[in-house]
Amino acid sequence: EVQLLESGGGLVHPGGSLRLSCAASGFTFSGYSMSWVRQAPGKGLEWVSVIYSGGSTTYYADSVKGRFTISRDNSRDMLTLQMNSLRAEDTAVYYCAKGGGPLRYYALDAWGQGTTVTVSS
Amino acid sequence: DIQMTQSPSSLSASVGDRVTITCRASQSINSWLAWYQQKSGKAPKLLIYKASSLERGVPSRFSGSGSGTEFTLTISSLQPDDFATYYCQQYNSYPWTFGQGTKVEIK
Repeated sequence: EVQLLESGGGLVHPGGSLRLSCAASGFTFSGYSMSWVRQAPGKGLEWVSVIYSGGSTTYYADSVKGRFTISRDNSRDMLTLQMNSLRAEDTAVYYCAKGGGPLRYYALDAWGQGTTVTVSS
Repeated sequence: DIQMTQSPSSLSASVGDRVTITCRASQSINSWLAWYQQKSGKAPKLLIYKASSLERGVPSRFSGSGSGTEFTLTISSLQPDDFATYYCQQYNSYPWTFGQGTKVEIK
């Protein structure tokens, strides 16, 4: 059974940093792309970033480009999102999601339960 | 960026009803479209990928159709477990984008 377990959320001041982690199990982690998707309170889903299976190709939403960094450790089955220069509008539940294959053109076929990030003074 | 527009934003329906949700893309996305179901306080769940392919384990009352810029999600006979919010998502090009969601409520 695929399991994705996010951690690292919390309350942070504007301008601060936070590092989210996603521990994966139940599948061959190194064979699949991974994404982060967020959902602000009461709002819809917003894709944040993707990293391909090998770890060398990444893409970001314009709203986080230059502030967030996605990475993965295929030896530890771990996905991370380093978030810097946080803003109030980054407040959201952050989901880790598994792609259906190693590269692009795959939907997100498994999701974690989410971790909450609150940016407030 | 490709904009995804869902309609309606919400609907009320009864158990057993046939429900159709439409998703329009601002430019062609070929068939790179997914549909997700999200229940309150829970993570989204993939229902349909590549516009019309049913994800494993998803009931056959769910179906998807379309290509290019216009897509539909149909629930052939609405069940109590189907009351939720549904999102379309394009994965043809980055940044990936979601529709604003369609909330399906009990009539």
